[in-house]
Amino acid sequence: GNSVTQMEGPVTLSEEAFLTINCTYTATGYPSLFWYVQYPGEGLQLLLKATKADDKGSNKGFEATYRKETTSFHLEKGSVQVSDSAVYFCALSAGGTSYGKLTFGQGTILTVHP
Amino acid sequence: EAGVAQSPRYKIIEKRQSVAFWCNPISGHATLYWYQQILGQGPKLLIQFQNNGVVDDSQLPKDRFSAERLKGVDSTLKIQPAKLEDSAVYLCASSLSPGGGDNEQFFGPGTRLTVL
Repeated sequence: GNSVTQMEGPVTLSEEAFLTINCTYTATGYPSLFWYVQYPGEGLQLLLKATKADDKGSNKGFEATYRKETTSFHLEKGSVQVSDSAVYFCALSAGGTSYGKLTFGQGTILTVHP
Repeated sequence: EAGVAQSPRYKIIEKRQSVAFWCNPISGHATLYWYQQILGQGPKLLIQFQNNGVVDDSQLPKDRFSAERLKGVDSTLKIQPAKLEDSAVYLCASSLSPGGGDNEQFFGPGTRLTVL
């Protein structure tokens, strides 16, 4: 079946540090890949997405590239801010009978200190 | 535009009691999802509706969970009877259609259920 694995967390960084959160996936066919973010006290929000191999999703300074050869979709940001502190979820959506269904990773807690 | 609405936001019950959650999706969204998010894990799909029909309920524990979307708009999720392991946040999401990459799912704030 489909699955998503995220790097073990939590991650603690100083402001302006470089961020990488690893995500790998297992899926049949050609899934779409997503990063969702959950800020404290808020609901899940879509951060970025990529729908085919070699696509790069980007938003708010975050980037992730769909790597089919390594089945990965790592999230990166060059300079994090305190306001980026949140829980980040990698997810995929595959075809078949559950078209549109999201399969999530376990989430990575990011804390950024001033 | 208004987002996905859910109520209640918090609920505490004892095991073997019943509980119901309500979700009102974004206007015009045909697809509605219920996810269960246990602490420390990612959300897991329980059921997916397309208008008022069920598309996927393979992960729904049907001996105790039920869900309906009678008029193809709002939806209720019920647990009867509740078990301790049902303690989780129940998330509702909606999208225009079920298209995987092209139709963003919008999530509600969730209902946090504690079963004692």
